[in-house]
Amino acid sequence: EIVLTQSPATLSLSPGERATLSCGASQSVSGSFLAWYQQKPGLAPRLLIYDASSRATGIPDRFSGSGSGTDFTLTISRLEPEDFAVYYCQQYGSSPLTFGGGTKVEIK
Amino acid sequence: EVQLVQSGAEVKKPGESLKISCKGSGYTFTSYWIGWVRQMPGKGLEWMGIIYPGDSDTRYSPSFQGQVTISADKSISTAYLQWSSLKASDTAMYYCARLRGTTTRLDYWGQGTLVTVSS
Repeated sequence: EIVLTQSPATLSLSPGERATLSCGASQSVSGSFLAWYQQKPGLAPRLLIYDASSRATGIPDRFSGSGSGTDFTLTISRLEPEDFAVYYCQQYGSSPLTFGGGTKVEIK
Repeated sequence: EVQLVQSGAEVKKPGESLKISCKGSGYTFTSYWIGWVRQMPGKGLEWMGIIYPGDSDTRYSPSFQGQVTISADKSISTAYLQWSSLKASDTAMYYCARLRGTTTRLDYWGQGTLVTVSS
């Protein structure tokens, strides 16, 4: 199974700053089949990015994804107050599907 | 509007059985897969398994094979996750989610069902 490692575990930033989150895979993710999800306290995760770089329906363009192979990045260009949350990457290039451990973006 | 509505929170004792549900609406239930995801308290997301309600084809993550049973009743657009004998370590939030295939993104999620197992 593919192991996903997210870094950093916690990112402390101020509103308006740029956030860069990383997701590393233990082996190449087939087809760049990687997604990013946002989870706020007490709520279910929400799909942000799929196929490494495509935004899901209704997701603001301040969210962008990039990468291929074993290295992927989620960038939030300018943090809004509602963006402080936990973010997970997930690969679906091979079975079983696997998730990263998450990155918490907190207010500095 | 696509919706997945899960059954309510449960409090059970070790050794008891449990079946939780996930009802889909706003789309053709038999044309998409339903997956289940576990989130233990304060922890990350874990993939459990998946079912295709159209023909009940079911796949399990190796970590959960034999520990839970996933099923579906397409006549009422509902998928299920069940345990025959709960353990304290099954205490977690469980989410269902919709997928287009066995290896695709999870595009819509249920609100989650909290299962607490305590003596």
